[in-house]
Amino acid sequence: AQSVAQPEDQVNVAEGNPLTVKCTYSVSGNPYLFWYVQYPNRGLQFLLKYITGDNLVKGSYGFEAEFNKSQTSFHLKKPSALVSDSALYFCAVRDRYSGNTPLVFGKGTRLSVIA
Amino acid sequence: GAVVSQHPSWVICKSGTSVKIECRSLDFQATTMFWYRQFPKQSLMLMATSNEGSKATYEQGVEKDKFLINHASLTLSTLTVTSAHPEDSSFYICSASGASDEQYFGPGTRLTVT
Repeated sequence: AQSVAQPEDQVNVAEGNPLTVKCTYSVSGNPYLFWYVQYPNRGLQFLLKYITGDNLVKGSYGFEAEFNKSQTSFHLKKPSALVSDSALYFCAVRDRYSGNTPLVFGKGTRLSVIA
Repeated sequence: GAVVSQHPSWVICKSGTSVKIECRSLDFQATTMFWYRQFPKQSLMLMATSNEGSKATYEQGVEKDKFLINHASLTLSTLTVTSAHPEDSSFYICSASGASDEQYFGPGTRLTVT
């Protein structure tokens, strides 16, 4: 079985400061990891994914995430937060890189960037 | 990039009526579509997986007779909530995948049952 844990319901950060949104995962096989962002009453927007290769993945809007196999983590980071980054962030995993396999989502972390 | 649309974006219906939500892949052929449900301030919960031309596979606890899913073409899947009740009020999101193994999400449909 696959699962994702996002231990923080809410993360607050001042504009211009670095931000981290935490994610840990559990899969039986190789993990394929994703981050999505959701704005109010909107669908999910893809940010980045880890399939294989370099552990540091760079994605949209200046976000990046680091895959750590030993800690089974895939934390989302950004060096300098913007107020417009305020949204709901979801980490997701699946154990196959196949479009026919559904994603398993974490509960989400609400990021609030304060000016 | 690939685009997935949903229609309607929001709908209000009376208890006991049925409502249909459409999910379309606009610029690619979607062999698989997924339907998710999201309650306020909660995560997305997978409801069912549908492959074009086949019956949908429902997750445990999801009533297939209540949530009818049809995936009759490679660009369209529909979710019909039958005999809707207030507890069915939710945000419904579809995603679609095709040859590229990527999943693309629709913008969601907010259903309110009064």
